[in-house]
Amino acid sequence: QSVLTQPPSASGTPGQRVTISCSGSSSNIGDRTVTWYQHLPGTAPKVLIYGDNHRPSGVPDRFSGSRSGTSASLAIGGLQSEDEADYYCSAWDVRLNAWAFGGGTRLTVL
Amino acid sequence: EVQLVESGGGLVQPGGSLRLSCVASGFTFGNYAMNWARQAPGKRLEWVSGINTNGGETYYADSVKGRVTVSRDNSKDTLYLQVNSLRVEDTAVYYCARWLRSGSSDWFDPWGQGTLVTVSS
Repeated sequence: QSVLTQPPSASGTPGQRVTISCSGSSSNIGDRTVTWYQHLPGTAPKVLIYGDNHRPSGVPDRFSGSRSGTSASLAIGGLQSEDEADYYCSAWDVRLNAWAFGGGTRLTVL
Repeated sequence: EVQLVESGGGLVQPGGSLRLSCVASGFTFGNYAMNWARQAPGKRLEWVSGINTNGGETYYADSVKGRVTVSRDNSKDTLYLQVNSLRVEDTAVYYCARWLRSGSSDWFDPWGQGTLVTVSS
């Protein structure tokens, strides 16, 4: 069972906006910033958002993140077929003294 | 180019041991903390272990504590993960990742391509 809770799946049509949620607790999201990763099977996971809402260079501004209280969310605007992937949220857990990952959300572009 | 390349995976019998390696290039390895994570077939990403820049501080997930040892050799730009008493449920692709920090933010970037560990009799 994951420390951080994500919906197992999400979907949208090309051009649509999709939001993926991540729920935690006071010892992780409530205390530390959130990172979002994109993972395509057979490839290295890639950071999309760090520090709650910062995009590394090269990540399109269609991707955005936010955090409030013990929850965070990733928004993907202008959905494209290449956005089909698994998305994971992550945060350091100060009580466990360990990194916590969400269960992952598989995004399908219909 | 910043790159991480894992190796050392393979087929191991339950109860066996394995040492995974991760060779870094394109950055000053000794300046960065590092991590190991894994993904079992059909399962989520799971953080396994972390280590600070000089190896003096190590961190482990509860699921592997006592069976896993993380270490590093900064002179060889290499990160290691020794896994003992392997179980079928340790079957996974193991990734190494650089631990980045900026202010109060921490994240992993980049990740390697992974090395597959299969535990089976």
